[in-house]
Amino acid sequence: DIVMTQSPDSLAVSLGERATINCKSSQSVLYSPKNKNYLAWYQQKPGQPPKLIISWASTRESGVPDRFSGSGSGTDFTLTISSLRAEDVAVYYCQQHYTTSWTFGQGTKVEIK
Amino acid sequence: QVQLQESGPGLLRPSETLSLTCTVSGGSVSDYHWGWVRQPAGKGLEWIGRIYANGNTNYTPHPSLKGRVSVSVDTSRNQFSLNLKSLTAADTAMYYCARVSASDTLDHWGPGTLVTVSS
Repeated sequence: DIVMTQSPDSLAVSLGERATINCKSSQSVLYSPKNKNYLAWYQQKPGQPPKLIISWASTRESGVPDRFSGSGSGTDFTLTISSLRAEDVAVYYCQQHYTTSWTFGQGTKVEIK
Repeated sequence: QVQLQESGPGLLRPSETLSLTCTVSGGSVSDYHWGWVRQPAGKGLEWIGRIYANGNTNYTPHPSLKGRVSVSVDTSRNQFSLNLKSLTAADTAMYYCARVSASDTLDHWGPGTLVTVSS
């Protein structure tokens, strides 16, 4: 199994400030022939199912605000919320789909400071 | 817009078998791959398995679930199902069904159904 490790486990950010979440995989999830990182980010608000917000490490899903961005390649990835809004309070998960056995990170809880 | 809805028993006893169904509306179950994910209360997401459009399946090798899971599709009812046998209290969780997108991610999710295993 590829182990996905997120950091930090939680963070508190002031409204309008930047939030940065890191995700590290135990092996590369970059598929070189396609030059694609098989890494997705999900947002889960309390009492709701997860919502896909970024695929291929950096492609925002339709309707996702552009304050959300994903970056990284290989084994190290970052989700950035450029200017935190109250509605961004949630737990964020990274997930690899490089192997047929998918795995999620443990989640990072984002709160308002 | 595709919508998914999980259904099944909310309470089961240890050693019983869980059977959950996910009903798909707004699209055909034959046109996509589908998956199951679970989440114990207050904890993270755990991928269970998926079924491809051709009927092939792929399950987690995690020891907590290995060998106990099966996923199937009923095209006549536009549904897919999860069976989990030999339940223990550790299987208590919210269970989600989801669609696998063209980018091989989970792009549409059901609201989830809570399963409790208790004697």
